[in-house]
Amino acid sequence: EAGVVQSPRYKIIEKKQPVAFWCNPISGHNTLYWYLQNLGQGPELLIRYENEEAVDDSQLPKDRFSAERLKGVDSTLKIQPAELGDSAVYLCASSSRDRGYAGELFFGEGSRLTVL
Amino acid sequence: RKEVEQDPGPFNVPEGATVAFNCTYSNSASQSFFWYRQDCRKEPKLLMSVYSSGNEDGRFTAQLNRASQYISLLIRDSKLSDSATYLCVAYSPSGTYKYIFGTGTRLKVLA
Repeated sequence: EAGVVQSPRYKIIEKKQPVAFWCNPISGHNTLYWYLQNLGQGPELLIRYENEEAVDDSQLPKDRFSAERLKGVDSTLKIQPAELGDSAVYLCASSSRDRGYAGELFFGEGSRLTVL
Repeated sequence: RKEVEQDPGPFNVPEGATVAFNCTYSNSASQSFFWYRQDCRKEPKLLMSVYSSGNEDGRFTAQLNRASQYISLLIRDSKLSDSATYLCVAYSPSGTYKYIFGTGTRLKVLA
């Protein structure tokens, strides 16, 4: 079974440039998460989707970050414009969660962003 | 105060040693708990789930103390391959069904 696929693995951009990350979750997983991980820190939730609906985006900096999950499968996370502080690893995860039961989170390898 | 707190370490232990990590959580509504392992520059992967009073898997034992709101991870007979960061995770089903990660505890097993 294919795991969570993310691209690109690495991205180096200059500040103020836009960047986009793509995620393909495990087939059949209805819940998709985007996490931000800074060096030496644990993952922090940016946005969670249940199918195509964003049900928790309270931690997403909406002035520059946007996300979408068309048709409830693939998802894209965009930053425009990028700032130096956005340098981090952006992790996508998916799970198959029955209401009230915490399923395992499966993570992709992450997209490492460096903003110069 | 972070919702899930861990000692970041690093814990440097010799091969064969027993090492224990603690994690505290502040949300009493947290229902489920997990330990994830993250190797350097890799993604987190589930190590163990902790659903009730504890869980054991080979050399790894996880304990949950709901009254004191902490969970622990015990690793016996440490191997070089156990060197990694161990992330404590609390899951709350109320409201937003959120998985909250701790900062992680770094373990280095020395030959």
